[in-house]
Amino acid sequence: EAQLLESGGGLVQPGRSLRLSCVGSGFSFEDFGVHWVRQVPGKGPEWVSGISWNSDSIAYADSVKGRFTISRDNAKNSLYLEMNSLRVEDTALYYCAKDLSIYGVVEARPSDVFDIWGQGTMVTVSS
Amino acid sequence: DIQMTQSPSTLSASVGDRVTITCRASQNINNYLAWYQQKPGKAPKLLIYKASSLETGISSRFSGSGSGTEFTLTISSLQPDDFAIYYCQQYNTYRRTFGQGTKVDIK
Repeated sequence: EAQLLESGGGLVQPGRSLRLSCVGSGFSFEDFGVHWVRQVPGKGPEWVSGISWNSDSIAYADSVKGRFTISRDNAKNSLYLEMNSLRVEDTALYYCAKDLSIYGVVEARPSDVFDIWGQGTMVTVSS
Repeated sequence: DIQMTQSPSTLSASVGDRVTITCRASQNINNYLAWYQQKPGKAPKLLIYKASSLETGISSRFSGSGSGTEFTLTISSLQPDDFAIYYCQQYNTYRRTFGQGTKVDIK
């Protein structure tokens, strides 16, 4: 069974940094684009960032560009999100999610849907 | 970014009812529209993609239609397991955006 498992969330002060991790299992992690999607409780999900299967294509939402960095290590079936200069408005449940289709390009048009999601890791930014 | 607007925000229905949720895009997204179901404390679950294609393992009581800027999700006969929040998502551009959600609760 394909699964994603996030970790690394927590309580952090504004302006500080945090690194999220996501490990994939039960599928060929190295063949799929993977993404970070966040959700404030009671609101719709918001796409944050995505990275292609071979790391050649990376994209960010405007709200995090310049502050967040996405990366992956296919040898470890892992996805990462380095979050710097955190703001109160970054408070949310952060999910990792994979593309439905194989070998996708993140900035393709059209892009792709998310067929597998992790259980999420909560990030709270507060003083 | 493309804005997605769902209606209604909340829908009260009974088991066995036919339920329809509408999603409107702020610009033409062709048929690159997906629907997800989310239950409390769980991640969203993909139901339908490309407006009308049923994801593997999803019950045929779920169906989707539409193109351009207006789309619908229909549940033909509501089951107890279907009480949840439903989100639409456009993927016509790489900046995927979601609707605000429609909560289907028990009448």
